[in-house]
Amino acid sequence: GENVEQHPSTLSVQEGDSAVIKCTYSDSASNYFPWYKQELGKRPQLIIDIRSNVGEKKDQRIAVTLNKTAKHFSLHITETQPEDSAVYFCAANNYGQNFVFGPGTRLSVLP
Amino acid sequence: KAGVTQTPRYLIKTRGQQVTLSCSPISGHRSVSWYQQTPGQGLQFLFEYFSETQRNKGNFPGRFSGRQFSNSRSEMNVSTLELGDSALYLCASSTSGTGDNEQFFGPGTRLTVL
Repeated sequence: GENVEQHPSTLSVQEGDSAVIKCTYSDSASNYFPWYKQELGKRPQLIIDIRSNVGEKKDQRIAVTLNKTAKHFSLHITETQPEDSAVYFCAANNYGQNFVFGPGTRLSVLP
Repeated sequence: KAGVTQTPRYLIKTRGQQVTLSCSPISGHRSVSWYQQTPGQGLQFLFEYFSETQRNKGNFPGRFSGRQFSNSRSEMNVSTLELGDSALYLCASSTSGTGDNEQFFGPGTRLTVL
């Protein structure tokens, strides 16, 4: 079955700096890769996703890149702000199969 | 559209009891997945229901079961509760149509087993 690894487990950055979180997956059949942000006490919220036919996707300060050959994808957050502090989860999915999540990255943006 | 809803939001039970949690998906969504979230364990997949049938199942004991109704609402049942079952239980829904598998989470039910 699918296995998703995520690094780092914790990340601290200064406000205004960039943050990068990396995930690897094992099943080459996976074709959908979402990222979720979970603030303390709240539900995970979908912030960006990418499908296997696309190499990069950007939405304002957030971008995701996908390398199908290496089976890894990354979340990039630029110009970080204190409200970006949260736990971020990556996931991999193939239609009809269950989502497999990474263990999460706790991002702290220091003012 | 209204988002995914879960009831109840909080539950306190004692060991040996059973519990039923409910999840109402976004209108038009036919897939409902359940996850257990504990500190340090991330999101552990329990099972997924699609059109009233269990389509995928995670590695949880048989004490954990679920079902889905014709209106796509889903329930999860845990029997013979153990202390280790204390967790946040999240459900998520998606249309699960080909090429359209964005998944959206409910607020969760926090279960405490004493």
